[in-house]
Amino acid sequence: GAGVSQTPSNKVTEKGKYVELRCDPISGHTALYWYRQSLGQGPEFLIYFQGTGAADDSGLPNDRFFAVRPEGSVSTLKIQRTERGDSAVYLCASSGGTTGELFFGEGSRLTVL
Amino acid sequence: EDQVTQSPEALRLQEGESSSLNCSYTVSGLRGLFWYRQDPGKGPEFLFTLYSAGEEKEKERLKATLTKKESFLHITAPKPEDSATYLCAVQAGSNSGYALNFGKGTSLLVTP
Repeated sequence: GAGVSQTPSNKVTEKGKYVELRCDPISGHTALYWYRQSLGQGPEFLIYFQGTGAADDSGLPNDRFFAVRPEGSVSTLKIQRTERGDSAVYLCASSGGTTGELFFGEGSRLTVL
Repeated sequence: EDQVTQSPEALRLQEGESSSLNCSYTVSGLRGLFWYRQDPGKGPEFLFTLYSAGEEKEKERLKATLTKKESFLHITAPKPEDSATYLCAVQAGSNSGYALNFGKGTSLLVTP
């Protein structure tokens, strides 16, 4: 596609529920990143994929968070047993060149009630 | 630990009133310093990358400069459509891939 696509754009769930957020990167981009942005803060790094493998998941806050990218394109961020503190905008970005520029999607706004 | 500090947190300008935003950083092995613009409800939009001290880049009313400790985003004769949050980020040699470490941003409001 022309840009990074994220779905859903908004997700409201109840505490304790399971949530999946999807990211479709720019076609041909091998690197994919997930970030989380809370109100008034800059984006916070969660995980980085190079191809199908998670090259660095050091930003995932705990084991309730998991992400996959099985075919090296679309990625899914999975959050188990959601908590109110998980409420944020989850941003996905992809990169494909040597300049290091990241292209961001519009984000998925997660609200946990 | 890499740190990025942006100032001021918020800035209000009148249309045509030039100013500068600051980004101070400490990083092990800077690969690049990035400026992004973020509109409410949108993802960050790339503006500039600077790679070495002394480098400058311009785009319309914006000019970004870089020293060994900080970067400035100069806004000349701003217009209301320049209102947004401006994010600074560093890409370090210790980072995995091209992961960026962001500051908290400067929220800019330009009034007519």
